[in-house]
Amino acid sequence: ETGVTQSPTHLIKTRGQQVTLRCSSQSGHNTVSWYQQALGQGPQFIFQYYREEENGRGNFPPRFSGLQFPNYSSELNVNALELDDSALYLCASSLLVPQHGYTFGSGTRLTVV
Amino acid sequence: AQSVTQLDSQVPVFEEAPVELRCNYSSSVSVYLFWYVQYPNQGLQLLLKYLSGSTLVKGINGFEAEFNKSQTSFHLRKPSVHISDTAEYFCAVSPRRGSQGNLIFGKGTKLSVKP
Repeated sequence: ETGVTQSPTHLIKTRGQQVTLRCSSQSGHNTVSWYQQALGQGPQFIFQYYREEENGRGNFPPRFSGLQFPNYSSELNVNALELDDSALYLCASSLLVPQHGYTFGSGTRLTVV
Repeated sequence: AQSVTQLDSQVPVFEEAPVELRCNYSSSVSVYLFWYVQYPNQGLQLLLKYLSGSTLVKGINGFEAEFNKSQTSFHLRKPSVHISDTAEYFCAVSPRRGSQGNLIFGKGTKLSVKP
C-alpha cells in the first residue's frame, strides 16, 4: 500500500505571499487532516476534510483554507503569509473513525522571510 | 477540551539502558491514546495506540505503554534502548466521539541514546 505523499518538501516564501501545499492520501483512506508543527513544538491541528468538506477545524484563522478532491488528495492554502507561519506542515490520512490511526506524510518545510 | 503534558522535554540515556517517557493527559471526554515517533527531517510514525481492553499496549520496535485511567497517564517504556531509538516522541489523544477525530499532541520528548 502507498503511504502519504506531500509536495513540495521545502519551500521559501516572502511575507504577504500565498502558498499551496499538496498531499496524496494513503490508499483506502477517505479523510485528510493537516497539522502545523512549529520548531520545538508538537503538531497543532489545522483542519480535517472528509468527503470533500471541512469536517473540523482547529484554532487557525480563515486565511488557512483547504480542499479535498474526489480521489481524497488534499491541498492546504495559506494566504497573506506571516513570519510565524514558518513551520513543518504535516498531512495525515485516515479512515473517518480515529481508532484506526493516522498515517503521516514527511511534511513540507515552509520558511517565510 | 483535551490537553497533553509530556513531563520531560529531553531524556538522555545510555545504550541498552531502560527508558520511560512520561505522558499525562486531561480530558472531559473519553479518549484514544497514541504514541508517535519522529526521526530528524521526517514525519510521524505510529508506535502504538490504546483503544480499549488491556491497559498494557505493545508497539513496534520493542516499545510498550501502560494506560492508567486513575492517574490519566500513558507512559512509554522500553527495557533496552538502541542508538537508533534517538528521536523525538510525541504522546497524543483523540476524542472517542465527535466528527473531528483530530489528534491533540504534547510538546514532545527528545530521546538521546548515547553509546
